[in-house]
Amino acid sequence: DQQVKQNSPSLSVQEGRISILNCDYTNSMFDYFLWYKKYPAEGPTFLISISSIKDKNEDGRFTVFLNKSAKHLSLHIVPSQPGDSAVYFCAAAGGTSYGKLTFGQGTILTVHP
Amino acid sequence: DTGVSQDPRHKITKRGQNVTFRCDPISEHNRLYWYRQTLGQGPEFLTYFQNEAQLEKSRLLSDRFSAERPKGSFSTLEIQRTEQGDSAMYLCASSVPWREGRDEQFFGPGTRLTVL
Repeated sequence: DQQVKQNSPSLSVQEGRISILNCDYTNSMFDYFLWYKKYPAEGPTFLISISSIKDKNEDGRFTVFLNKSAKHLSLHIVPSQPGDSAVYFCAAAGGTSYGKLTFGQGTILTVHP
Repeated sequence: DTGVSQDPRHKITKRGQNVTFRCDPISEHNRLYWYRQTLGQGPEFLTYFQNEAQLEKSRLLSDRFSAERPKGSFSTLEIQRTEQGDSAMYLCASSVPWREGRDEQFFGPGTRLTVL
């Protein structure tokens, strides 16, 4: 039962353009969402998060949008840079299990110079 | 380096052997988590501790797996009688809970286990 899904295994974008990574979830108890970036041979690195009381959170070039009715969130990176090339995971938490993060499968982002 | 550290980074073992991994969290973090990641998948939750108390275990954590966090500092994850299906990246993370309502988990580099 995949409660968090990233349906695009990969995304290719030109440097300077916008990257949009998508994530869907099924569990209505999730109320906190995070995005992590992962480079090869490293652990995931926290990027940005959003609580379900908000529909948008911005941090520099990164913006996360949350659509609770659609159970959908997205990460926008503007402008995209070659150093952004990595695997991006969305994760969700909530309900009675505050410590547990449920991750999607990841999306490989490649930003071409 | 003040991040989460894990040791060893790589472990190759034969089926049936026991292995133990260590995680040292960020010093002021009282929550510690273990996840497992297989190829092409996101990390899957295994268990977590608040201080020395183990608060939740996933059903993925079979009887062959045991985790400890004595004195609420470092943690160990032991796998007994390893199987080839245990081959994965084992990730440790730590956090300070309830900052701004939720905690952001900081991950270590992982231990890659290969069971032959």
